[in-house]
Amino acid sequence: DADVTQTPRNRITKTGKRIMLECSQTKGHDRMYWYRQDPGLGLRLIYYSFDVKDINKGEISDGYSVSRQAQAKFSLSLESAIPNQTALYFCATSDSQRSNTEAFFGQGTRLTVV
Amino acid sequence: LAKTTQPISMDSYEGQEVNITCSHNNIATNDYITWYQQFPSQGPRFIIQGYKTKVTNEVASLFIPADRKSSTLSLPRVSLSDTAVYYCLLWGYGGSQGNLIFGKGTKLSVKP
Repeated sequence: DADVTQTPRNRITKTGKRIMLECSQTKGHDRMYWYRQDPGLGLRLIYYSFDVKDINKGEISDGYSVSRQAQAKFSLSLESAIPNQTALYFCATSDSQRSNTEAFFGQGTRLTVV
Repeated sequence: LAKTTQPISMDSYEGQEVNITCSHNNIATNDYITWYQQFPSQGPRFIIQGYKTKVTNEVASLFIPADRKSSTLSLPRVSLSDTAVYYCLLWGYGGSQGNLIFGKGTKLSVKP
């Protein structure tokens, strides 16, 4: 089983719909991140969370919200999806207690807004 | 704001050594230089990290000059399976660790 699990893996939704992408981890890490990836634009940070009570905006947070329900769960919501939010979304985790600052990524969620 | 600058793309042939250079003129004292590899439709994977001088592991080497304003990822004897996007990023140990900014990366194409 994957240490960082994203659900769903693929999703097609209509413009204006609310959608939630979920991320759960079994690594026991305190920090979690959400990214989106568009062709040719690399990875862009949407939100990150240092712990359950800490949420921070990233590079492109407009149109998105997040919820850290527990240390192991970090959800990304699109309140009213629009076509330019069509992208590949990744969740990642890291452990602030380790000197090796390595992030671990989920398998990704491919979202299409029509 | 982008904290690092690297070439958009590079081409190589199997068996060659590939060096990808990254510029980070405004690197902070507590920043570590970290490289990730990403295959299509997969999440990035950590390759190597360093603070100064040279770091080597089973996958790559990382060369960092004394002023730390640039770094070079070296991949020895690449194969077709090394075709991927490589990201250079700065990750501060401590308070700034959460601000993990990837940028566009360098797309490496290895040809037979």
